[in-house]
Amino acid sequence: LAKTTQPISMDSYEGQEVNITCSHNNIATNDYITWYQQFPSQGPRFIIQGYKTKVTNEVASLFIPADRKSSTLSLPRVSLSDTAVYYCLVSGSARQLTFGSGTQLTVLP
Amino acid sequence: NAGVTQTPKFQVLKTGQSMTLQCAQDMNHEYMSWYRQDPGMGLRLIHYSVGAGITDQGEVPNGYNVSRSTTEDFPLRLLSAAPSQTSVYFCASSYGRLSSYNEQFFGPGTRLTVL
Repeated sequence: LAKTTQPISMDSYEGQEVNITCSHNNIATNDYITWYQQFPSQGPRFIIQGYKTKVTNEVASLFIPADRKSSTLSLPRVSLSDTAVYYCLVSGSARQLTFGSGTQLTVLP
Repeated sequence: NAGVTQTPKFQVLKTGQSMTLQCAQDMNHEYMSWYRQDPGMGLRLIHYSVGAGITDQGEVPNGYNVSRSTTEDFPLRLLSAAPSQTSVYFCASSYGRLSSYNEQFFGPGTRLTVL
């Protein structure tokens, strides 16, 4: 099982770029890296997924180095509404899904 | 599309009672799964299904049963509720197995309290 390690919490100010790094030293060759966002009392919501190098969509970027032992979620110009828990997920087979405790991001005015 | 729906939103049970948590999706997804989330923790996989008639255990399957008779529905049954099953339960679906490039869509959750 590819276990992930993330910071427990992070604080940022509105308008700043936020980078959350996830460590996954035991990632397997066929594993993808996925990030989810969860607001209180809601189910997680998919943000971005990647295998290697860099992936960008309309809300975030995902940076994955060549060795794939870590990944960084980058949120540009965060707002108060980005306050949430962010989960890094390394997905192999369905039985190996592990969400971990996530990172509580608090955006301050 | 309604996406992934779950009923009920809230439920209180007494120890030993049984109940079924309902989950349905209208996206024709092959893969469905159930998770539980305890306070301050991430989600843990209970059971999953890769298609109608096929189910398998996840990380924490004890005390729960599932079946998948149709593509759309994936109910979770608690045969004899215990206080340790007090949690928030999320159902999710996706196009296929998570070893390929896809995303999971989560329902709004069911908050269960067992007294």
